[in-house]
Amino acid sequence: KAGVTQTPRYLIKTRGQQVTLSCSPISGHRSVSWYQQTPGQGLQFLFEYFSETQRNKGNFPGRFSGRQFSNSRSEMNVSTLELGDSALYLCASSFNGVGAYEQYFGPGTRLTVT
Amino acid sequence: GENVEQHPSTLSVQEGDSAVIKCTYSDSASNYFPWYKQELGKRPQLIIDIRSNVGEKKDQRIAVTLNKTAKHFSLHITETQPEDSAVYFCAARISGNTGKLIFGQGTTLQVKP
Repeated sequence: KAGVTQTPRYLIKTRGQQVTLSCSPISGHRSVSWYQQTPGQGLQFLFEYFSETQRNKGNFPGRFSGRQFSNSRSEMNVSTLELGDSALYLCASSFNGVGAYEQYFGPGTRLTVT
Repeated sequence: GENVEQHPSTLSVQEGDSAVIKCTYSDSASNYFPWYKQELGKRPQLIIDIRSNVGEKKDQRIAVTLNKTAKHFSLHITETQPEDSAVYFCAARISGNTGKLIFGQGTTLQVKP
């Protein structure tokens, strides 16, 4: 099976702009979770989508949002970008059925805000 | 609150030695504990995991142990090789219908040839 893919791989944006990142999960996986990775804060959970519904949300401001489509592909959006939003954004897919908790990560999108 | 503490933050060993990384979790409802290896510039890769109904799991040179009473779990790497050099993350999943993982801060392992 093909792995988790993310596009774009790199982005440079200016403060105040907005950005949309995309994640395509492993075929058959229904859950997509998003994480922000920074050197100072490590890996932090943003939110999870399952069957087109947000099932969990982390402690991030409302500027961070997401959605999931019927084919399980997911997008996350960050509005009014701040310098502190510069990070590697990783998505992870999981079948997330009973007892199937393994999450597999995509390569990430490196976002730089200037 | 949900928290995972990971120690040490850096670990340097000689090739062939063993390495141990320890994590402690706060939520007793946690039921799944994966370990990820992240090489520089690459995605985190799932290397081993353990569920709350199991005390130990092995896969070749790596093993994970879980002590539910003490709420801690550990990664053991034996016969370390230079290619084991990477950042290792532990994580915990809270029981329930969720794909949310809480990660430790990571351990940078350096294996010296």
